[in-house]
Amino acid sequence: DADVTQTPRNRITKTGKRIMLECSQTKGHDRMYWYRQDPGLGLRLIYYSFDVKDINKGEISDGYSVSRQAQAKFSLSLESAIPNQTALYFCATSGPTRNEQYFGPGTRLTVT
Amino acid sequence: AQSVTQLGSHVSVSEGALVLLRCNYSSSVPPYLFWYVQYPNQGLQLLLKYTSAATLVKGINGFEAEFKKSETSFHLTKPSAHMSDAAEYFCAVSERGSTLGRLYFGRGTQLTVWP
Repeated sequence: DADVTQTPRNRITKTGKRIMLECSQTKGHDRMYWYRQDPGLGLRLIYYSFDVKDINKGEISDGYSVSRQAQAKFSLSLESAIPNQTALYFCATSGPTRNEQYFGPGTRLTVT
Repeated sequence: AQSVTQLGSHVSVSEGALVLLRCNYSSSVPPYLFWYVQYPNQGLQLLLKYTSAATLVKGINGFEAEFKKSETSFHLTKPSAHMSDAAEYFCAVSERGSTLGRLYFGRGTQLTVWP
């Protein structure tokens, strides 16, 4: 079984809709991250969390919100989706040392 | 904030040829350095990492990278390309000693391998 899972894997939604992307991990890590990937731009950090009580904005948090329901679960919400939020979204986790991150398989989101 | 530059958004090589993917970082203090690979329709997989000690780091699938402090570089190489190496490669850095643990990514290099 995968250590970091994301649901859904693919989603098509309409402008203005609210959508939630979910991430779960079995690695026991405290740190969790949400990134978006756009062609030619690499990965950019949306939000990150050190534990259930500690959530921080990344470099592109506008239009997004997150919820850390438990150590193992970190959800990303788009309150009112817009077309330029069409992207590939990755969840990642990190342990206490070396800053190495482990990535989920990604969610491909299309906003029409 | 850290900055990571990957020179060349696309690199093409013939099967059996040397693979060289370039990465430079901006930091006065040597950071932790990583190379990730992304195969089509998959997530990111760690290829190798530099955290301390040996400057030549060996990773999976025959890849290696050399940390050069004087050049602020961490270029990825493989002596002989294989068709299965075709993928997108990302260089990433993390601040040494930081509790944040966040990664800063380069924009990626798409590697094409011709038969």
